[in-house]
Amino acid sequence: EVQLVESGGGLVQPGGSLRLSCVASGFTFSAYSMNWVRQAPGKGLEWVSTISSSSNTIYYADSVKGRFTISRDNDKNSLYLQMNSLGAEDTAVYYCARSSAGGNYEFIYWGQGTLVTVSS
Amino acid sequence: DIQMTQSPSTLSASVGDRVTFTCRASQSISSWLAWYQQKPGKAPKLLIYKASRLQSGVPSRFSGSGSGTEFTLTISSLQPDDSATYFCQQYNTYLTFGQGTKVEI
Repeated sequence: EVQLVESGGGLVQPGGSLRLSCVASGFTFSAYSMNWVRQAPGKGLEWVSTISSSSNTIYYADSVKGRFTISRDNDKNSLYLQMNSLGAEDTAVYYCARSSAGGNYEFIYWGQGTLVTVSS
Repeated sequence: DIQMTQSPSTLSASVGDRVTFTCRASQSISSWLAWYQQKPGKAPKLLIYKASRLQSGVPSRFSGSGSGTEFTLTISSLQPDDSATYFCQQYNTYLTFGQGTKVEI
């Protein structure tokens, strides 16, 4: 069974940093691109970042470019999101999601999400 | 950036109704469109991918159609469990989600 479990969310002050983790199981992690998607309270979904299976291709949404860094450790079956210079607009539930077996970006598998709250 | 616009924002219907909602892309995305169902406090669930392909395990009352810039999701006979918010997502160029359609029964 595929499982994605996020952690690392919490309350952080504006301008602060946080590192999210997503631990994967039930599939060959190193074979799939991985993604972060966020959802502000009561709002829609927003794609944040994508990393290829070997980390050689990385994409970011304009809203986080230069502040967030996606990375992965295939030996640890783990995906990360380093978030710096956080602002209130970054308050959201952050989901990790696995790309499809065909390498496309429809997401069958999602984690349960981890809540990041940016507030003083 | 490709913008995705869903309509309506909210839809009220009765059990057994056939309901259709729309997702429009600001430029052609071929058939690179997915539909998700999301219930409060839960992660989204993939319903349809590549515009019209039903994800395994999803009831056949859900169907998707369209290509280019205009897409529809249809529920042929609305069930109480279908009360949720539905999002479209393009993955032709990076990824963008629509703002969602909330279905009330």
